[in-house]
Amino acid sequence: DAGVTQSPTHLIKTRGQHVTLRCSPISGHKSVSWYQQVLGQGPQFIFQYYEKEERGRGNFPDRFSARQFPNYSSELNVNALLLGDSALYLCASSREWQTGELFFGEGSRLTVL
Amino acid sequence: AQTVTQSQPEMSVQEAETVTLSCTYDTSENNYYLFWYKQPPSRQMILVIRQEAYKQQNATENRFSVNFQKAAKSFSLKISDSQLGDTAMYFCAFMKRSPTSGTYKYIFGTGTRLKVLA
Repeated sequence: DAGVTQSPTHLIKTRGQHVTLRCSPISGHKSVSWYQQVLGQGPQFIFQYYEKEERGRGNFPDRFSARQFPNYSSELNVNALLLGDSALYLCASSREWQTGELFFGEGSRLTVL
Repeated sequence: AQTVTQSQPEMSVQEAETVTLSCTYDTSENNYYLFWYKQPPSRQMILVIRQEAYKQQNATENRFSVNFQKAAKSFSLKISDSQLGDTAMYFCAFMKRSPTSGTYKYIFGTGTRLKVLA
């Protein structure tokens, strides 16, 4: 089975632009969550979606939004990019919310200039 | 608010030796889960081991074991017979789940970079 896939793997944007990151969970996984990992830090929780509904939100500004589609894939959108948004964005899926175990993708490396 | 602290930014160990990575956390919750995740240089993070807070027995997965001290809020990872492939960033994580809303919240520590030396 394919693992969690994320696209794009690398991208460069300028301040003020918008970015969309995509994630496909492992087949059969209904929960997707997003994390921001700044260089040298641990992942910070952004969003969790389960069955297409937002089930959790971290301490991030409204410039960050996400959604989950009927096939359980997900998009993370960031508007009005700031230099501080430069980070590795990780997507993780899990079978149900009960298990707690996260299966991570390799991430999307965003650089904001 | 829950916090997770990993006080060792970097560690090294000789191949075949044993190393222990420390993790402490702060919570007022009684039911939660603790994890160690490994992030090799290729970036994809994978689960190493998990511990349910209600279980007193320490979790073990092959060469990996934990020392879970609930009262002290300590959750250390011991790697026995270290191998070169164990070289990675190791993150301790705390997870609390809401049984009513279906949400869970993950909090990660800042990580420990482990290098296994040949």
